[in-house]
Amino acid sequence: GENVEQHPSTLSVQEGDSAVIKCTYSDSASNYFPWYKQELGKRPQLIIDIRSNVGEKKDQRIAVTLNKTAKHFSLHITETQPEDSAVYFCAAGNFNKFYFGSGTKLNVKP
Amino acid sequence: GAGVSQSPSNKVTEKGKDVELRCDPISGHTALYWYRQSLGQGLEFLIYFQGNSAPDKSGLPSDRFSAERTGGSVSTLTIQRTQQEDSAVYLCASSFRGENEQYFGPGTRLTVT
Repeated sequence: GENVEQHPSTLSVQEGDSAVIKCTYSDSASNYFPWYKQELGKRPQLIIDIRSNVGEKKDQRIAVTLNKTAKHFSLHITETQPEDSAVYFCAAGNFNKFYFGSGTKLNVKP
Repeated sequence: GAGVSQSPSNKVTEKGKDVELRCDPISGHTALYWYRQSLGQGLEFLIYFQGNSAPDKSGLPSDRFSAERTGGSVSTLTIQRTQQEDSAVYLCASSFRGENEQYFGPGTRLTVT
């Protein structure tokens, strides 16, 4: 099955700095790579996703890059704000099964 | 419209008892997933339903866990003879066939004493 590894487990940045979270996966059949944000006590919510036919996708301050050859993808958050503080999960899979990384706790210090 | 709902929101049970957790997906969503999230951990895939097809049960941790989906809509996750290690938040998600975005419910926090 798929194995998704996520780093770092915790990340602390100053407000306005950039944050980068990296994930690797093992199954070359995976074709969909979403990122979820989970605030304390709340449900995970999709923030951005990328499909295997695309190398990079951007949505305002958030971007995701995918390297299918190396089997890794990354989340980039620019101009971080305190409200970006949360746990972020990457996932890899296809429409019938997804495997999630262990999460990155992002703390943005004001 | 209404999102994914789950009930109960919290469940405390004694070790050895059976529990049933319910998930109501978004209307029209044919795919339904169950995940388990232990404290401070990631999401562990449990089971996947797609329409009337046989479910993918490959993530169920033991034969004490089972799930069904009636009429292609509501799903119930049953844990028999609960153990303390079953304590976790159980999350349900649904998606529209052909699209990958999963919408999560609020979860059921299960505590086995």
